Amino acid sequence: GAVVSQHPSWVICKSGTSVKIECRSLDFQATTMFWYRQFPKQSLMLMATSNEGSKATYEQGVEKDKFLINHASLTLSTLTVTSAHPEDSSFYICSASGTADNSPLHFGNGTRLTVT
Amino acid sequence: QKEVEQNSGPLSVPEGAIASLNCTYSDRGSQSFFWYRQYSGKSPELIMFIYSNGDKEDGRFTAQLNKASQYVSLLIRDSQPSDSATYLCAAHVGGGADGLTFGKGTHLIIQP
Repeated sequence: GAVVSQHPSWVICKSGTSVKIECRSLDFQATTMFWYRQFPKQSLMLMATSNEGSKATYEQGVEKDKFLINHASLTLSTLTVTSAHPEDSSFYICSASGTADNSPLHFGNGTRLTVT
Repeated sequence: QKEVEQNSGPLSVPEGAIASLNCTYSDRGSQSFFWYRQYSGKSPELIMFIYSNGDKEDGRFTAQLNKASQYVSLLIRDSQPSDSATYLCAAHVGGGADGLTFGKGTHLIIQP
């Protein structure tokens, strides 16, 4: 089945620094990848849709200048949390689907970000 | 506004019984539906997906879809303690380019 690899699995950083999270589709090409965020005991919230070769589409309320997304190839999307603050501490999960209509989403293992 | 609703639970079911998880969705344009299982601190794992009205069976799992009632369910037969997790229902409108809309999840506890 489709495999999505996400790195790192956890990261601790100081307030004000930036953190980059990578998401790779290992055995399929993903023109579209999705970035979700999940706070404890909450559901997944879509942050943005990452489109290969073009700008990401951000959901309402998500700051595009704070959460930088780059989708430079069909197998790699990156999310950079800039000037991180403690309130950005969360579980970030990327996902991707194949090119066929209604292809299910497959998730990376997630990145636990803790900002101190 | 696309919404997916689930009872947050916890839903407690004795081992060996059938666990029934329910989900409703608001957008009639939703075309495909997914059930994910999420263990605490882990990423969601796809259990089943369903596109057509009726039942779809895969091992101990059965997904049921009723588009007229905008209702999706997941049945787990012969429940095992390892089935204890949060189950997320998700709906997808259109093909390909849109992310899924997730419910808040139902916390299922299988009692040994």
